[in-house]
Amino acid sequence: QQQVKQSPQSLIVQKGGISIINCAYENTAFDYFPWYQQFPGKGPALLIAIRPDVSEKKEGRFTISFNKSAKQFSLHIMDSQPGDSATYFCAARGFGDAGNMLTFGGGTRLMVKP
Amino acid sequence: GAGVSQSPSNKVTEKGKDVELRCDPISGHTALYWYRQSLGQGLEFLIYFQGNSAPDKSGLPSDRFSAERTGGSVSTLTIQRTQQEDSAVYLCASSLMGSGNTIYFGEGSWLTVV
Repeated sequence: QQQVKQSPQSLIVQKGGISIINCAYENTAFDYFPWYQQFPGKGPALLIAIRPDVSEKKEGRFTISFNKSAKQFSLHIMDSQPGDSATYFCAARGFGDAGNMLTFGGGTRLMVKP
Repeated sequence: GAGVSQSPSNKVTEKGKDVELRCDPISGHTALYWYRQSLGQGLEFLIYFQGNSAPDKSGLPSDRFSAERTGGSVSTLTIQRTQQEDSAVYLCASSLMGSGNTIYFGEGSWLTVV
């Protein structure tokens, strides 16, 4: 069964600190790994995404690190701000045996304290 | 608007009644997805439509759930004989074909079965 495992379930970080969320997947046919950010009462919105042919992608304060051999990827939020407080979901997507839809991790509820 | 539109935004229904949830995807998007999010939980895949292909219904939790997509655009998710455990946010999403294309979510339909 396709699975994406995400940790931690919740995370509290001081303003200015680094938030790190980790995900692991099983299916090597996945070829696209996005992170979604969800605020209360809203739908998830794409934050940043990576393909497995690169090991890192950075957009502003957000960085994805990708380890293909370990089948793991992580989100780093540098200089975390209270406005970053939200639920974050990692996901994986592929075609054929990997499925044609996004498979999501269980989510991480991030709270950034001022 | 240009985003994924869902209706109703909120629905309270009595146990045993049928409900219909509607999704209007982004114009031109050939792929349409339904996910379910229970309170404080992750996103559970329900069904996926891709163009004229047969939908992937592998995530539908029971035969009380069905979905259709008319004319390759608007989709309706129907839940028959609703149960209290059906209470959740039902999220619709759409994308262009291809694993690397961004999947855009609507804001969801909040269903409460009493």
